[in-house]
Amino acid sequence: AQSVTQPDIHITVSEGASLELRCNYSYGATPYLFWYVQSPGQGLQLLLKYFSGDTLVQGIKGFEAEFKRSQSSFNLRKPSVHWSDAAEYFCAVAVMNSGGYQKVTFGTGTKLQVIP
Amino acid sequence: DAGITQSPRHKVTETGTPVTLRCHQTENHRYMYWYRQDPGHGLRLIHYSYGVKDTDKGEVSDGYSVSRSKTEDFLLTLESATSSQTSVYFCAISESGTGVVGESFGPGTRLTVL
Repeated sequence: AQSVTQPDIHITVSEGASLELRCNYSYGATPYLFWYVQSPGQGLQLLLKYFSGDTLVQGIKGFEAEFKRSQSSFNLRKPSVHWSDAAEYFCAVAVMNSGGYQKVTFGTGTKLQVIP
Repeated sequence: DAGITQSPRHKVTETGTPVTLRCHQTENHRYMYWYRQDPGHGLRLIHYSYGVKDTDKGEVSDGYSVSRSKTEDFLLTLESATSSQTSVYFCAISESGTGVVGESFGPGTRLTVL
């Protein structure tokens, strides 16, 4: 079964600084990979996704992520953080099961705090 | 935002009572999911549906049942609520087809079981 690890429970960065959130996955093949963001009291919003092809993926709100097969990682980055980026971020992997249905596993999340 | 609504948005109930949560979508998506979100656990899949009357269990399905009689509605039922089922419940939808496209999430239902 696939698994996802987000090693950082909480990260604090200064506004304007760069950001990298880590995500490692465990799966025998290349899964589909996602990053979601959740603002307080809200549902999750999809930031970006990777299926195949170019390993650097661009998403919404200025985020990007890089898939590194050798490290089983899919880290999320942003060159300059804004105060509005403060939220919780979830990495997820999806695989197609034997019945052809998508099964998604989420990481436990990283809370981002942005200080002035 | 995708057309997903959840009802109720908040509910407080007592141990042993039945509870039904509703997810309604206007996107005509094939796949629908119920997750629960708890601190330190992220989101965990309870049940999912891949079509009308077609459902399957997720990783934390004990104590929950689901039904999908129409494409647009996916119901989650706690037959006899327990305090361990206090959580925030999210519904999600996804397109079917040749690729996995990620999911769109509803606003969530906060359930408290006393």
